[in-house]
Amino acid sequence: EAGVTQFPSHSVIEKGQTVTLRCDPISGHDNLYWYRRVMGKEIKFLLHFVKESKQDESGMPNNRFLAERTGGTYSTLKVQPAELEDSGVYFCASSQEGAIGSNEQFFGPGTRLTVL
Amino acid sequence: LAKTTQPISMDSYEGQEVNITCSHNNIATNDYITWYQQFPSQGPRFIIQGYKTKVTNEVASLFIPADRKSSTLSLPRVSLSDTAVYYCLVASDNYGQNFVFGPGTRLSVLP
Repeated sequence: EAGVTQFPSHSVIEKGQTVTLRCDPISGHDNLYWYRRVMGKEIKFLLHFVKESKQDESGMPNNRFLAERTGGTYSTLKVQPAELEDSGVYFCASSQEGAIGSNEQFFGPGTRLTVL
Repeated sequence: LAKTTQPISMDSYEGQEVNITCSHNNIATNDYITWYQQFPSQGPRFIIQGYKTKVTNEVASLFIPADRKSSTLSLPRVSLSDTAVYYCLVASDNYGQNFVFGPGTRLSVLP
């Protein structure tokens, strides 16, 4: 069974540019989560999809970040325009059940974003 | 928001049992305790989860005392490949902000 995949593995862009990260969850997982670890900090929750709906987006840092999950399959996270402080590793995870605290989440390898 | 405290780092030798304790004094009634493992350049990987008493799987055991204010992850006979960061998380359902990873414990297994 394929795990959670993320693309690209690494992205280097200049400040002010746009970047779109993609996450393909495990097939059949209705729940999809985005996290990020910015330099020197801890992994922080960004948002949670249940199918195509945003269940919880309380962790999104600001309106430069837009997450979508059209059709309830893969998800994209767009950063526009990117700022220097957006540099870090962006993780995607998926799970079968929707209860964040009581179910196993499967994480992807992450996308390392570098904003110059 | 249940905060967790765990040692920043630990060293062990191959073949030893490693116990990592996590404190969560203000754990709520509906919170679960979950441990994740993370290797460099990879995403976190679920190890074990429990609510109370003891849970065991093929990888680890999780000991939770009756007051649930702490938990101990036990890794039997560690190998070099167990060198990783281990995160203790305490969270209930459906509120993502509660799913806080914290700094974790960096375990180094030495030959």
